[in-house]
Amino acid sequence: QKEVEQNSGPLSVPEGAIASLNCTYSDRGSQSFFWYRQYSGKSPELIMFIYSNGDKEDGRFTAQLNKASQYVSLLIRDSQPSDSATYLCAVGRDAGNMLTFGGGTRLMVKP
Amino acid sequence: GAVVSQHPSWVICKSGTSVKIECRSLDFQATTMFWYRQFPKQSLMLMATSNEGSKATYEQGVEKDKFLINHASLTLSTLTVTSAHPEDSSFYICSASDRLGNQPQHFGDGTRLSIL
Repeated sequence: QKEVEQNSGPLSVPEGAIASLNCTYSDRGSQSFFWYRQYSGKSPELIMFIYSNGDKEDGRFTAQLNKASQYVSLLIRDSQPSDSATYLCAVGRDAGNMLTFGGGTRLMVKP
Repeated sequence: GAVVSQHPSWVICKSGTSVKIECRSLDFQATTMFWYRQFPKQSLMLMATSNEGSKATYEQGVEKDKFLINHASLTLSTLTVTSAHPEDSSFYICSASDRLGNQPQHFGDGTRLSIL
């Protein structure tokens, strides 16, 4: 059983729309949650991290965490074609320690 | 933000060659570095966790004698793929976190290894 689950996609949204990416995890002891963006052939780039229940906003990105439901999501407002990439959800017990990655969701933003 | 440098970015070599990949944290002290491998269209797979001054912890199924990891300082970890074969061809990525574990993992740019 995978510990971090993501829909592989592709998730296709029109330019300017809100893209909603979801992730569920199985380890109830998880305390730190991360979203990474990975362009094809490149290494992952940290976009957001969240440690507490609720929402955290940074520019066009909002991370949402619900520990009771073991669910974390990433919203991208005003999606741009340059947002097209694979988004990896990662979960860990500590911020800097071992993370478990989901399989990633491929997002396609169409002009 | 935290910067992790990985070198080389691309290696092409003959089967049987040993290849060393370096991972450096440029602006923070990385007590822990992680080595991942990613095959095409697959997610990151953790290979090993490297703590400064101690032996690396390898994930199940990863041969420690084939993938040698050294983390001799707080800013440098190396992964050596010994006697590489075509099936070792992959994208190898390191990441690092700081002494207190407060820094989210930041990734190097990755090393694309192609074994002929």
